[in-house]
Amino acid sequence: GDSVTQMEGPVTLSEEAFLTINCTYTATGYPSLFWYVQYPGEGLQLLLKATKADDKGSNKGFEATYRKETTSFHLEKGSVQVSDSAVYFCALRSGGANSKLTFGKGITLSVRP
Amino acid sequence: GAGVSQTPSNKVTEKGKYVELRCDPISGHTALYWYRQSLGQGPEFLIYFQGTGAADDSGLPNDRFFAVRPEGSVSTLKIQRTERGDSAVYLCASSNELANGELFFGEGSRLTVL
Repeated sequence: GDSVTQMEGPVTLSEEAFLTINCTYTATGYPSLFWYVQYPGEGLQLLLKATKADDKGSNKGFEATYRKETTSFHLEKGSVQVSDSAVYFCALRSGGANSKLTFGKGITLSVRP
Repeated sequence: GAGVSQTPSNKVTEKGKYVELRCDPISGHTALYWYRQSLGQGPEFLIYFQGTGAADDSGLPNDRFFAVRPEGSVSTLKIQRTERGDSAVYLCASSNELANGELFFGEGSRLTVL
């Protein structure tokens, strides 16, 4: 079945550091890929997505590229801010447009000033 | 309302009791999802409604769990004979065709079974 594997956390970085959060997946067919973020005290919200191979999703300075050959969707940001401290979840959808999302375990990012 | 609303935000109950958790989706969203999130884990899919019908209930762990959406809007997740292992945050999300596949999540209902 579908699965998403995220790197182990937590991750602690200094402000302005470079961020990479690894995500790999197993799925049937050609899934759509997502990164969701959960800020403290808030619900999960979509950060970015990519729907086909080689697509790059981007938002708020974050980027992730859909790599079919390595079944990966790593999240990157060139310069993190304290306000980026949150839990990040990688997810996939392999069914139709409104079918379920399958999530990874999530990783906690803490950015110190 | 502007977003997905879940009530109660916190529920403490005793083992063996019956619990209902309510989700009020974004107005006009035809798809509604229930997930369960245990500490340190990602959201685990339970059930998905398209309108009033359950389009996929493959994630319900056993027959103690049941969900309804009688009028295609508000949904209730029902848990019978609760067990300590049911303790988790229960998340609801909604979506529609115009959302391009994005799920909009509520803040969750934290269930603690003593």
